[in-house]
Amino acid sequence: EAQVTQNPRYLITVTGKKLTVTCSQNMNHEYMSWYRQDPGLGLRQIYYSMNVEVTDKGDVPEGYKVSRKEKRNFPLILESPSPNQTSLYFCASSRLGATGTGELFFGEGSRLTVL
Amino acid sequence: DQQVKQNSPSLSVQEGRISILNCDYTNSMFDYFLWYKKYPAEGPTFLISISSIKDKNEDGRFTVFLNKSAKHLSLHIVPSQPGDSAVYFCAASGGSQGNLIFGKGTKLSVKP
Repeated sequence: EAQVTQNPRYLITVTGKKLTVTCSQNMNHEYMSWYRQDPGLGLRQIYYSMNVEVTDKGDVPEGYKVSRKEKRNFPLILESPSPNQTSLYFCASSRLGATGTGELFFGEGSRLTVL
Repeated sequence: DQQVKQNSPSLSVQEGRISILNCDYTNSMFDYFLWYKKYPAEGPTFLISISSIKDKNEDGRFTVFLNKSAKHLSLHIVPSQPGDSAVYFCAASGGSQGNLIFGKGTKLSVKP
């Protein structure tokens, strides 16, 4: 089954404790991206990657890091989480084509709470 | 500055009637537009898309209209069903851009 898998789905942590949210896709997609969803703000892009070893900042990259060492994986790293990073996070992937990112496939989301 | 705007946070319609969700964009370089549907506790799922070379795309009960001169697109759902109740996101991308820009979403409620 084609899917984007995120882990953990739910996490409560404390300020300053490094954490990683993993994302894996099994569709051989070139493009992967991380979004956060907050009430009244919709989906905002954090980082994206057009292919292995290529990453770029989205609209809200501060406080986050990513890496793309393999095509299927795109982990999101919070080196020193703060309460304003409490949010619902979505990983997504797609095949790149003439229409850019095209149809994105999303994971089920990871709800993160930073105390 | 918001490049993709959904000015109606919510919309309520009666079952069987038409739902019209609107979206405006500011970047004339956008050439591909998509609508996503999101249920609570799930990731967004792709619904329908349209290329800038078209002005209409239809898929069953869902039709997207694009007015490039007005930088406006709309999603029509006919007839609306209670299962259509969800948050709908409009999104846009440019051909060479690596990112899909989303609007803030419109919560649709279809009442039986």
